[in-house]
Amino acid sequence: DAGVIQSPRHEVTEMGQEVTLRCKLISGHNSLFWYRQTMMRGLELLIYFNNNVPIDDSGMPEDRFSAKMPNASFSTLKIQPSEPRDSAVYFCASSRTGQATEAFFGQGTRLTVV
Amino acid sequence: DQQVKQNSPSLSVQEGRISILNCDYTNSMFDYFLWYKKYPAEGPTFLISISSIKDKNEDGRFTVFLNKSAKHLSLHIVPSQPGDSAVYFCAATLVRTGGFKTIFGAGTRLFVKA
Repeated sequence: DAGVIQSPRHEVTEMGQEVTLRCKLISGHNSLFWYRQTMMRGLELLIYFNNNVPIDDSGMPEDRFSAKMPNASFSTLKIQPSEPRDSAVYFCASSRTGQATEAFFGQGTRLTVV
Repeated sequence: DQQVKQNSPSLSVQEGRISILNCDYTNSMFDYFLWYKKYPAEGPTFLISISSIKDKNEDGRFTVFLNKSAKHLSLHIVPSQPGDSAVYFCAATLVRTGGFKTIFGAGTRLFVKA
């Protein structure tokens, strides 16, 4: 299995532009998590899905952020409009329900908003 | 409101000695506690976990201790090896209907000197 695949690995964009981050889950996994890593706050949980349904989006910072799962194996995290303070590394992770002890992370997308 | 706290941003240890990484949490309802390891430019990878009903779990050189009354857990690595140099994240999981939610600390960077 190729693991969780995130794209792009790096994204540089100008303030005000729309940014879309993508994630492909591990086959057979049905839980999907989006995290953001910053120096100050470490890994913050933004949102998680179970069986394509958003369960908890309380970590999404603002209405500028939105996440979707159009199908069981794919998710997007969109920021519109982007701001410099959104610069961070965004990680996607997947797991199987019942395996509450482990999630598998992608390599992350480093976002820089200038 | 940071429910999981790692108060030491970094730790330096000599090869062969014990590394002790500490973590505190505030929510007594967490069901599992986990440690993840992260190398630069990679996503976090699961290392070891412990159920909230246990007080110790061991896996090779890695042992996690849980003190529920103090809301404190620690990861012991013995003997430490240079390849253990990485950022270690403490995490805590709430199991809910419809999935589980894992909250991470800010991380501790471990340096193991040869």
